[in-house]
Amino acid sequence: EAAVTQSPRNKVAVTGGKVTLSCNQTNNHNNMYWYRQDTGHGLRLIHYSYGAGSTEKGDIPDGYKASRPSQENFSLILELATPSQTSVYFCASAGGEQYFGPGTRLTVL
Amino acid sequence: GQQVQQSPASLVLQEGENAELQCNFSSTATRLQWFYQHPGGRLVSLFYNPSGTKHTGRLTSTTVTNERRGSLHISSSQTTDSGTYFCAIDLPGTGSNRLTFGKGTKFSLIP
Repeated sequence: EAAVTQSPRNKVAVTGGKVTLSCNQTNNHNNMYWYRQDTGHGLRLIHYSYGAGSTEKGDIPDGYKASRPSQENFSLILELATPSQTSVYFCASAGGEQYFGPGTRLTVL
Repeated sequence: GQQVQQSPASLVLQEGENAELQCNFSSTATRLQWFYQHPGGRLVSLFYNPSGTKHTGRLTSTTVTNERRGSLHISSSQTTDSGTYFCAIDLPGTGSNRLTFGKGTKFSLIP
């Protein structure tokens, strides 16, 4: 199965602080995705990428930026974190079928 | 309206019974993928099934694209099957490989 890793696995941040979530995949997939998962909403797409240097807005991009510096790495950036961004964040990669990372639990106080 | 609808929202069965999970979608889709999530865990891909029927172990996925529906059948369910099952499809016009998820079916087993 495709290997997708995320770091950190848990993060506590303060309101107004900057948070960077990192994702790495070792399967040479072109497409990568960031989702958040909240009770009652399921998984919602924040940003995605077709390859190194590209980022695209998903369904809920407000308050988030993304960066794809290489084929393997895709980061999600919260420039000014807010309590409403407390959630579990999942990264995924796809060459067809999507494979998910283990998730990052983010708490913004 | 909701583009991917899963039913039931929750399901409680006794161990050994069969389970049927449904996924209905509002637009023509070219891909349907089923995922399993253990509480607090990552999503694990079960099936990537654009159309037809696929089997793995006790699981069967059936996708009928022109009827905009899919199903996941779990036979002889076991306590290790407990968790949440998600259906996801790609919607036309949303871009290559981009999935839209249903809200999941929470599946619990009574020993």
